[in-house]
Amino acid sequence: NAGVTQTPKFQVLKTGQSMTLQCAQDMNHEYMSWYRQDPGMGLRLIHYSVGAGITDQGEVPNGYNVSRSTTEDFPLRLLSAAPSQTSVYFCASSGSQSPLHFGNGTRLTVT
Amino acid sequence: AQSVTQPDIHITVSEGASLELRCNYSYGATPYLFWYVQSPGQGLQLLLKYFSGDTLVQGIKGFEAEFKRSQSSFNLRKPSVHWSDAAEYFCALEGDTGRRALTFGSGTRLQVQP
Repeated sequence: NAGVTQTPKFQVLKTGQSMTLQCAQDMNHEYMSWYRQDPGMGLRLIHYSVGAGITDQGEVPNGYNVSRSTTEDFPLRLLSAAPSQTSVYFCASSGSQSPLHFGNGTRLTVT
Repeated sequence: AQSVTQPDIHITVSEGASLELRCNYSYGATPYLFWYVQSPGQGLQLLLKYFSGDTLVQGIKGFEAEFKRSQSSFNLRKPSVHWSDAAEYFCALEGDTGRRALTFGSGTRLQVQP
């Protein structure tokens, strides 16, 4: 059981570039979510999904898109990266009764 | 709106001393509450959770937390801190259980002096 797998671990982008952060879970969890972690601010919810085909916005969704075509995968897309998106990104998954399981994070730098 | 406040940004304790990390929440009903720990460069590990029932919950690594509804608090405690406990600790709330997502506090960084 790999749990929640995030790729890549590190990424450097130039302003205006696009990229996709990958998140996959092998626990057949219905619920998945993306957070960003910035110093002194804890983790903030970007987008979440309650099942395949269903997504919704969290606290800080601007500049990010998501889709959920399968139960296992929940990619996060940055369409046009900005320096303000420099952060550490965490993906999480859970079942209806289980606590969240987190991936190990992706550290993104936008120059 | 729901929120979590961790009033202490940084705490230093001596090894072997007791520890209490504070967490206050704002939510209209009784939430699900969690404590997570994060070592540098690592992901988040669940220490303990409160869903309902007994207000004193036991977690891993010798940690416990007490839910106090009257004070809207969920403080984390450990009777004797070890050097390996140095990390950042996050309190989190799940209010809208329909989405299974968390609202986090800003974290408390714990340093342990020898």
